[in-house]
Amino acid sequence: GAVVSQHPSRVICKSGTSVKIECRSLDFQATTMFWYRQFPKKSLMLMATSNEGSKATYEQGVEKDKFLINHASLTLSTLTVTSAHPEDSSFYICSARGHPRLALDEQFFGPGTRLTVL
Amino acid sequence: QKEVEQDPGPLSVPEGAIVSLNCTYSNSAFQYFMWYRQYSRKGPELLMYTYSSGNKEDGRFTAQVDKSSKYISLFIRDSQPSDSATYLCAMSARGGGADGLTFGKGTHLIIQP
Repeated sequence: GAVVSQHPSRVICKSGTSVKIECRSLDFQATTMFWYRQFPKKSLMLMATSNEGSKATYEQGVEKDKFLINHASLTLSTLTVTSAHPEDSSFYICSARGHPRLALDEQFFGPGTRLTVL
Repeated sequence: QKEVEQDPGPLSVPEGAIVSLNCTYSNSAFQYFMWYRQYSRKGPELLMYTYSSGNKEDGRFTAQVDKSSKYISLFIRDSQPSDSATYLCAMSARGGGADGLTFGKGTHLIIQP
C-alpha cells in the first residue's frame, strides 16, 4: 500500500513550451502533497506544499506563476512548468501524505520526473 | 552554511562491513529526523524515523540523533550488496509528514560483494 505514481517519468521539450507533471496517490487519499526539485549533485529541495482544494504554498524563491500547482482531488496533484527554459531542467519529485488516523502520516514519494528543456 | 550537510561519497565498503552514514544540520527547530534509501530512478523510501535525541534500531539499521551536536547517524550492520543505494537524511520541525522535508545531498553507498 501507499503507492505514489508520477507521469511522465521523463519528458524532453523545447524552450518556451509548458509541461504538465501528474502525481497520483494510488491506494490512499492524500491530504497534502509536496513538490520537490533536485538538480545534479544537489539536495532535494522543497518547492511547494499543496492541500486538496486550496492554493499551494510556495517556498521562498520559487515562482508561483512559473510553477503552477493544482491539487484538484485527494488523489491527484499536477505541476505545470510554464514557458520552460533550459535552467528548469531538473528532476521533479512529489510526495503525498495520507491521513494520520489511518497511520499514513508520513510522506510517500513518487518515482520522479526527469525534465529536459532544449 | 547549508541547512543540512551530508557527504555525497561515493562510499565503498566490502560486504559484511558496518557502514556509518552521517549528517549535520544547523537549524535547531528540527525535531524529527529521517533516513531514506533511494535506488536509481526510484523515489526515496523511508528507512528510519526518529524524534529528538536518542537511538532507534530496526533490524540491521540503527539511527542515532544527537541534538546537542546537531548530528545524526545511520549505521548498517552486516552490509549486503542489495544495500547499495543513495541514502538521504531528512528532517523537519513537525512530525507526521506535515511539513516539507529538508534533505541532505545523499550519500552514494556501494557494497562490494
